[in-house]
Amino acid sequence: DGGITQSPKYLFRKEGQNVTLSCEQNLNHDAMYWYRQDPGQGLRLIYYSQIVNDFQKGDIAEGYSVSREKKESFPLTVTSAQKNPTAFYLCASTTPGQGLTYGYTFGSGTRLTVV
Amino acid sequence: QKEVEQNSGPLSVPEGAIASLNCTYSDRGSQSFFWYRQYSGKSPELIMSIYSNGDKEDGRFTAQLNKASQYVSLLIRDSQPSDSATYLCAVRETSGSRLTFGEGTQLTVNP
Repeated sequence: DGGITQSPKYLFRKEGQNVTLSCEQNLNHDAMYWYRQDPGQGLRLIYYSQIVNDFQKGDIAEGYSVSREKKESFPLTVTSAQKNPTAFYLCASTTPGQGLTYGYTFGSGTRLTVV
Repeated sequence: QKEVEQNSGPLSVPEGAIASLNCTYSDRGSQSFFWYRQYSGKSPELIMSIYSNGDKEDGRFTAQLNKASQYVSLLIRDSQPSDSATYLCAVRETSGSRLTFGEGTQLTVNP
């Protein structure tokens, strides 16, 4: 079955440590996104990529980095510069041009906690 | 002004009632609108999308869009306890594919 796989499901980060969250999709989608969700809040866009080897900053990119070397993969690194990284991280994908009602498919999320 | 605003919750309705969820948006050029349901601790799942003015029905769900008023709503008829979740309104930007989300409305359906 096609879908988006995020790993790990739970991740613990020590102060000053960089961690990488994995996102892999087999939907043949061109565009991929990383969102952050804090308790009781909506989704805020961190980074997105519409084609391989290209990505753009979203609304809260500071302290994060991404790469898009393959169409299927869009890993997110939470760097030590991100001072408050504890949150639920969601990866999503879609194919632009599929029609106005074509939304995102989401992965199951990674819950990151600073210890 | 927030780009996408949803009616503040939490919203509580009795089983069998109609739940009404509202959303306004600021970008007049927005063309596509989405409602996602998110259960606690889970990722959002798409339940409705709409891009034409008027109503769109799918089972117990009806999405309503009024572009002149920059308003989109979701009605859930015959609400069930399993509908208890947070509902997120999302708007596709005028150009491109990125979605902007509202903060969500938490719905509780009481048996």
